[in-house]
Amino acid sequence: DPKIIQKPKYLVAVTGSEKILICEQYLGHNAMYWYRQSAKKPLEFMFSYSYQKLMDNQTASSRFQPQSSKKNHLDLQITALKPDDSATYFCASSQDGWGSSQNTLYFGAGTRLSVL
Amino acid sequence: GQGVEQPDNLMSVEGTFARVNCTYSTSGFNGLSWYQQREGHAPVFLSYVVLDGLKDSGHFSTFLSRSNGYSYLLLTELQIKDSASYLCAVREPNYNVLYFGSGTKLTVEP
Repeated sequence: DPKIIQKPKYLVAVTGSEKILICEQYLGHNAMYWYRQSAKKPLEFMFSYSYQKLMDNQTASSRFQPQSSKKNHLDLQITALKPDDSATYFCASSQDGWGSSQNTLYFGAGTRLSVL
Repeated sequence: GQGVEQPDNLMSVEGTFARVNCTYSTSGFNGLSWYQQREGHAPVFLSYVVLDGLKDSGHFSTFLSRSNGYSYLLLTELQIKDSASYLCAVREPNYNVLYFGSGTKLTVEP
């Protein structure tokens, strides 16, 4: 059974709309992350949370807002969607948000977002 | 991203070996990790190194030279199923961020 669940697996949206990407992890980890992967580009860090607190944010646009309702949940709300937002969004977790455990990330299967 | 560079492609033959190179030029260094990513799937953690030298983990071994900003992942006794992209990621001090390279696509031929 997958230990990090991302929903939905595929998502098609219209330009200007708003979507929420869901992520739940059942590894008992204390840190969670969002990464984005576009075609031919490296995995790009977006956010990191530790014990439900934002640790780092390297997303320039405020259209991307993480939401953590529980320690094992980290959803990603995206507003005013643009075609350039089309990518696969990966949720990940690590035991802790500091030290060497940060280097060992466990990834969910991803949500493939297409904005038309 | 953040000065982590990898060659795009690498080809090798089943039963032999492949060395996937990674160079980095980050402002600091706090560990380097290797991940495997198959087409259409999520990255999977393989190895983590923070000290110089060779770390032998059987099928996968990793080498690190901090003074040269260089690491490689060595895959031995290659199998067709080792065909995948291999991602190098570096963590900088003071940031809770792993910066990934764009990955090397390894193709193992019969």
